[in-house]
Amino acid sequence: DAGITQSPRYKITETGRQVTLMCHQTWSHSYMFWYRQDLGHGLRLIYYSAAADITDKGEVPDGYVVSRSKTENFPLTLESATRSQTSVYFCASSGTVGFEQYFGPGTRLTVT
Amino acid sequence: SQQGEEDPQALSIQEGENATMNCSYKTSINNLQWYRQNSGRGLVHLILIRSNEREKHSGRLRVTLDTSKKSSSLLITASRAADTASYFCATDAGGYNKLIFGAGTRLAVHP
Repeated sequence: DAGITQSPRYKITETGRQVTLMCHQTWSHSYMFWYRQDLGHGLRLIYYSAAADITDKGEVPDGYVVSRSKTENFPLTLESATRSQTSVYFCASSGTVGFEQYFGPGTRLTVT
Repeated sequence: SQQGEEDPQALSIQEGENATMNCSYKTSINNLQWYRQNSGRGLVHLILIRSNEREKHSGRLRVTLDTSKKSSSLLITASRAADTASYFCATDAGGYNKLIFGAGTRLAVHP
């Protein structure tokens, strides 16, 4: 199916474990983004990517790692999960500078 | 730090009424975007207004931008129960399409 998908949709993990959230888009968009959304807050940018093999930090990158070996995939890894990383994570993509972003359905992550 | 601040935080209206949400931001921008989020879902893009535009329409939506006051407003006319959602403004200050979101306005439209 065309669009932007995220997996898993729900994840429960324990403190200290590594967990990877997947994001896949079928539009061949150059730009991809990871945000987290916490109760009472808007979305905060974790990492972004302008193209394959080009990534950079956003507002809240600590504790996260990203890679982008292929244009369509942009996985987000929590190297050692902490309770403060309990959140809803959204992936987004955009085709061109100065245009809208398209969001995935989100992954609800709980760290116990 | 959040660039955009929405006002009000929550809004409750009856079907058929108009809903107005405001957004203020701090730095110069290339464009400002409004998104809707239904409960438990991803964000959906509503409208984008560029820094050289003052007003934009899309269906029942009207967005204004005042760069001198660093503020924007989103007007939803003749609201429907299906408009119940959270609405976020997001600013693009330039460079790689990075957006900074406000905390959002929760709109409840009662039948």
